[in-house]
Amino acid sequence: GIQVEQSPPDLILQEGANSTLRCNFSDSVNNLQWFHQNPWGQLINLFYIPSGTKQNGRLSATTVATERYSLLYISSSQTTDSGVYFCAVESHNAGNMLTFGGGTRLMVKP
Amino acid sequence: GAGVSQSPSNKVTEKGKDVELRCDPISGHTALYWYRQSLGQGLEFLIYFQGNSAPDKSGLPSDRFSAERTGGSVSTLTIQRTQQEDSAVYLCASSLSSAPEEGTQYFGPGTRLLVL
Repeated sequence: GIQVEQSPPDLILQEGANSTLRCNFSDSVNNLQWFHQNPWGQLINLFYIPSGTKQNGRLSATTVATERYSLLYISSSQTTDSGVYFCAVESHNAGNMLTFGGGTRLMVKP
Repeated sequence: GAGVSQSPSNKVTEKGKDVELRCDPISGHTALYWYRQSLGQGLEFLIYFQGNSAPDKSGLPSDRFSAERTGGSVSTLTIQRTQQEDSAVYLCASSLSSAPEEGTQYFGPGTRLLVL
C-alpha cells in the first residue's frame, strides 16, 4: 500500500518562531488532509489539500502532487500550537480510507 | 452543527469480554469510517461504509472485529473476546460522500478502550 512519511518526528520551537513540516507519499492521491491532534486526542482538520496552496491565518499548506509531497507552514508559533500534526492521504488506487503518517510532535515553549 | 459523536468516551473491560462502541456521524454524511490509534501501530484504518454499498472491511485485524451501520446513520463497532492488544483509541470519522471533492473526513473524539 501507499507509504506516508513525515518529518521531522519531533520539533521544539520558541514561541514566535516559524516552522515547516513535511509529508512525503509514495503514490498518487485523491485526497490529502493535515490534522492537528490536541492534548485531549481530538483530531482537528487543518486543510484538505490534494494539490495547490491554501492559507488559514498563521497556517498554510502546499501540496505538489506530481512530486508527491506536502508542506505545512506554521508562522509566529504559539504555545497552543503544541501537539501532534498528522498528514493523511487517500490513495488513488486503494479505496477511500486515509493512510496516516507517523506524525510530527511539536512543542512550543513560552 | 453537531460534529461526529462517539460513546462511551472511555471503556475498561476484562480480557475475554465483548464490547460495543458507537458512532453518530455528522447529519447528512453518507460515508463513515472507523480507525484506531495505538502506541505501537499509529493511526490505522479498520472499516468504511458508503451509503448502502457493502462495507470495505479490509482493515479489520481479525474476525473478532465487526461493524454495522443501521439506516445509513449510526454505526456500532463490536469487538468479541477482547484481548489486551485491542487496547487503543477507536476513532470514527464521516464525510459528505466518497467523491474526491466531498471527501474531507471529520473525526469524533474517540473511545479509549482498555482491556485488563
